[in-house]
Amino acid sequence: QSALTQPPSASGSPGQSVTISCTGTSSDVGGYKYVSWYQQHPGKAPKLMIFEVNKRPSGVPDRFSGSKSGNTASLTVSGLQAGDEADYYCSSYAGSNNLVFGGGTKLTVL
Amino acid sequence: QLQLQESGPGLVKPSETLSLTCTVSGGSINRSGYYWGWIRQPPGKGLEWIGSIYYSGNTHYNPSLKSRVTISVDTSKNQFSLKLSSVTAADTAVYYCAREDAYNLRNAFEIWGQGTVVTV
Repeated sequence: QSALTQPPSASGSPGQSVTISCTGTSSDVGGYKYVSWYQQHPGKAPKLMIFEVNKRPSGVPDRFSGSKSGNTASLTVSGLQAGDEADYYCSSYAGSNNLVFGGGTKLTVL
Repeated sequence: QLQLQESGPGLVKPSETLSLTCTVSGGSINRSGYYWGWIRQPPGKGLEWIGSIYYSGNTHYNPSLKSRVTISVDTSKNQFSLKLSSVTAADTAVYYCAREDAYNLRNAFEIWGQGTVVTV
């Protein structure tokens, strides 16, 4: 299984929106509704932000939203804040009880 | 409030076996509906799922690591463990343990430990 493809970096100004993509195949992203997104600040453990493509765990602001089209999933962060600056990772179920992560995207708030 | 804490040697010699334990506090590991997983992150790189175990002992492993990985659970100690054999420098990473709610948040890890650094 190969890692999902994410852009290495993304950026936006405070208040703006930014979208991060996560591209896989029909065997993972495109084949299942189990796409998740994690936020990771430096030196910290990842935090679950989105599960099942577009659902938010309790406590995650609605500024974070997820979607999927074909083999590509996306995370959109609206109303960017300084605290959103972090690394973001997608993951997807890949069949046969396997999980695969993306390579990560560093989000910079300008 | 459920908490997970990784523990184990921070330095392992090449060709030896890496052994880590995750202690669960604030709740029982012996409950249906939850998978307990291991994820690692090499320095400056992305996350890699290693494998997961159900409280009953049912396991799922990353195919790329399957030949070297064993995950087990000790419900009496409220712990689950990772063993990775024949390690090389490529296994140097921060190792995280985490919980998956298989009923409500399938294939997503909602609670994570703080991580532990293992150097080979």
